[in-house]
Amino acid sequence: QLQLQESGPGLVKPSETLSLSCSVSGGSMSEYYWNWIRQPAGKGLEWIGRVYPSGSVVYNPSLESRVAMSVDTSKQQFSLKLTSVTVADTAVYYCARGECAGGNCVFFDYWGQGSQVSVTS
Amino acid sequence: DIQMTQSPPTLSASVGDRVTITCRASQTVANWVAWYQQKPGRAPNLLIYKASTLQSGVPSRFSGGGSGTEFTLTIHSLQPDDFATYHCQQYKAYPLTFGGGTKVEI
Repeated sequence: QLQLQESGPGLVKPSETLSLSCSVSGGSMSEYYWNWIRQPAGKGLEWIGRVYPSGSVVYNPSLESRVAMSVDTSKQQFSLKLTSVTVADTAVYYCARGECAGGNCVFFDYWGQGSQVSVTS
Repeated sequence: DIQMTQSPPTLSASVGDRVTITCRASQTVANWVAWYQQKPGRAPNLLIYKASTLQSGVPSRFSGGGSGTEFTLTIHSLQPDDFATYHCQQYKAYPLTFGGGTKVEI
């Protein structure tokens, strides 16, 4: 059974960089897209971006200037960096596997449990 | 960006009811829509992809339909475990976008 687990600081100061990692176990990272999604308290889901094992990335244009994602398949991990954070970046951050079954990409078939990140001074 | 609009935002129902949630896309997404169930404090769980394909392990009381710009998620005979928030998502084009969610409550 594939499992994903986010890790990283729960508190980040305004203007600093949010860094999260996602560890993947129970399956290969090959041929799937690896995603970050966030959800502010009481609100909907926002897709942040995805990285492919080759290193190819696609980001949400709304965050593109501040986001960087990377992948290390030898460690079965991928990561998120979000720079110049503000209180508006406070949210639960999820990592998720992106699947392309049936044609277009991607929908999310496996999720991490989520990591609460609060931006506060 | 493709906007996904769900209705209603909240739905009150009883065990045994049939409930339908609607998701409208701001432009055609063919049938590239997924539905998720989310319980408080938990990650979303995939129910349906490609508008109507049931994910493995999901009870058959869940069904999805629609194409183009209008999609539905139906729960036939609501069970106690089904009280949750439901999200639609389009994957026709980047950026991937979600609806605002529909909370199904007692």
